[in-house]
Amino acid sequence: VQLLESGGGLVQPGGSLRLSCAASGFSFGLYTMRWVRQAPEKGLEWVSSIRGGDTTTHYADSVRGRFTISRDTSKNTLFLQMDSLRGEDTAVYYCVKGGVPGTYYFDNWGQGTLVTVSS
Amino acid sequence: QTVVTQEPSFSVSPGGTVTLTCGLSSGSVSTAHHPIWFQQTPGQPPRTLIYDTEIRSSGVPDRLSGSILGPKAALTITGAQAHDESDYYCVLFVGRGIWVFGGGTKLTVL
Repeated sequence: VQLLESGGGLVQPGGSLRLSCAASGFSFGLYTMRWVRQAPEKGLEWVSSIRGGDTTTHYADSVRGRFTISRDTSKNTLFLQMDSLRGEDTAVYYCVKGGVPGTYYFDNWGQGTLVTVSS
Repeated sequence: QTVVTQEPSFSVSPGGTVTLTCGLSSGSVSTAHHPIWFQQTPGQPPRTLIYDTEIRSSGVPDRLSGSILGPKAALTITGAQAHDESDYYCVLFVGRGIWVFGGGTKLTVL
């Protein structure tokens, strides 16, 4: 299993960014995928999940209405569209492989991509 | 708002045993929260240690174990080694697809 995030960078408050996670080594479409973030020198925060199969999505209250998770199974890629960015969204964003629907699992983690929201 | 609690820091002697806990600001943790434990060293992504309360991930030694102790989930490390010195996080499933992480415990081995 490999998960490779990209798309991070510096963005101004109110701006947008789209993160990608290229997945390989497993049947991507079958598995729940998640985004977890970690602000500098802070703890982990679950951001969003998209379920394998039916693509049901869930979001943390802190990002609901601003972030959108999606996946392209033909390209084995997970996305996180981030709009209306705020300073408190500054963090390393990790792509995480979950389990198949009905399981409750955080499995493999990517190396992360850094998002910095600052003027 | 659900808050998941962890000890901010803990210290253990080499060869000793330590139990880290994961609780809820209101209510008790049960297997229905599907507790998961992670280890993170500086500059690295987290590594999953335990899932569904007590199941070890591949490659995790059996000196690490998960359980429910009273109202909390627990991670017990026996025979502590220098490389166990890390940050440890738990996460709980609180329903409706939502997961909440604890603030993490910084474990020192000395």
